[in-house]
This record gives sequence, structure tokens and C-alpha cells, in this order.
Amino acid sequence: GNSVTQMEGPVTLSEEAFLTINCTYTATGYPSLFWYVQYPGEGLQLLLKATKADDKGSNKGFEATYRKETTSFHLEKGSVQVSDSAVYFCALSDYQGAQKLVFGQGTRLTINP
Amino acid sequence: DAGVIQSPRHEVTEMGQEVTLRCKPISGHDYLFWYRQTMMRGLELLIYFNNNVPIDDSGMPEDRFSAKMPNASFSTLKIQPSEPRDSAVYFCASSLLAGGAGTDTQYFGPGTRLTVL
Repeated sequence: GNSVTQMEGPVTLSEEAFLTINCTYTATGYPSLFWYVQYPGEGLQLLLKATKADDKGSNKGFEATYRKETTSFHLEKGSVQVSDSAVYFCALSDYQGAQKLVFGQGTRLTINP
Repeated sequence: DAGVIQSPRHEVTEMGQEVTLRCKPISGHDYLFWYRQTMMRGLELLIYFNNNVPIDDSGMPEDRFSAKMPNASFSTLKIQPSEPRDSAVYFCASSLLAGGAGTDTQYFGPGTRLTVL
């Protein structure tokens, strides 16, 4: 079945550091890929998404590129801020419209000033 | 739009009691999802509806859990009887399948934190 594997956390960085959170997936067909973010005490929010190979999703300085050849969708940001502290979830969906999201286990990110 | 609304935000109950969680999806959305989040198991999809009809309930842990969607603007998740291992954060999410071409963004509510003593 479909699955998502994220790098284990927690991840702690200093402000303005470069961020990479790895995400790889296993899926049949051509899934859409997502990054969701969960701030403390809140629900998940869509951060960015990509629906086909080589697409790059971007938002709030974060980027991720859909790499079919490596089945990856790594999240990157060039300079993190304290306000980026949150839990980040990689997810995929069945492109055939099943509407089901499969989530990775989440990576907790803490940014220190 | 007000977003997905869930109530209550926090629920503390005793083992054996019935618990009902409520969700109001974003107006016009035709999909509704119930998730459970725990430290041990992460985020799990319990059930989802399309146009008020349950499509996939394979994630519902056992018969003690039931979900209904009597109309497009309201859904409930009921646990009866509740057990301590049901303690978790329960999220509701909704989405709109745009153009029939694959999935679209799911919008999550703030969650209900359930504690069963």
C-alpha cells in the first residue's frame, strides 16, 4: 500500500539556518504530494503541494520538488525563523481521486533565537 | 468563511461513558474526514464521507466507534463506551473535489482533545 516516510525528529536549529526535512514515499500510480504544518494547539494547515513529477510547491519561503525518480518530496527553507517552530507532515494522495491522504509520522521542528 | 468548526475543544470523561464529537465542515465542501492523532500512532484516518455518504470506514478502530453525517453541514463521531486508550486529539477536515481531477486541499479543524480517565 501507499506509505510516507519522514526523517526522524525532533530537529532543532538556530534562527537563519538552512532547513531540510526529508520525505520519501511508496505509491502506485501518480500521487499528489503535500506538506502540512501543525502549530502548537492547532489543526493541520496545508503548506504546499505538487501534483505531478518535477512540480515545485512553494509557500512562505518553503519549497519542495516532486522527484519521481527518487520518490522524494523533501522540504527546504533557506533561512528559518522562530515562528517556523511546528510539526511538519509529509503526505500523499491517490491521484485517482480517492481523496485519502496518507501521512508521514511528522517531524517536530524547533528554532532557537 | 469560518473554517472547519469542531466542538467541544476539550472533553474529559470517565471510562464507560458515551462521547460525542461534532464537526461543521466548510460550506460547499463535499468531503468530510475524521482523523485521530496520538503520540504512538501519529495521524490516522478513521472514516470519510462524500456527499454525506460514508465511503471508507476501514480506519474505525472497533465497533465502539461510529460516525454519522445527517446533512452537508454536520457530522458526529461517537464513542460508546469510551476507554482510556481512546484518549487522543480528534480532527475533522473537509475538502472540495475540484473538477474531478484528483484530490484537493483538506482543511482541518482545531481538533477535540479527548481524555478518558
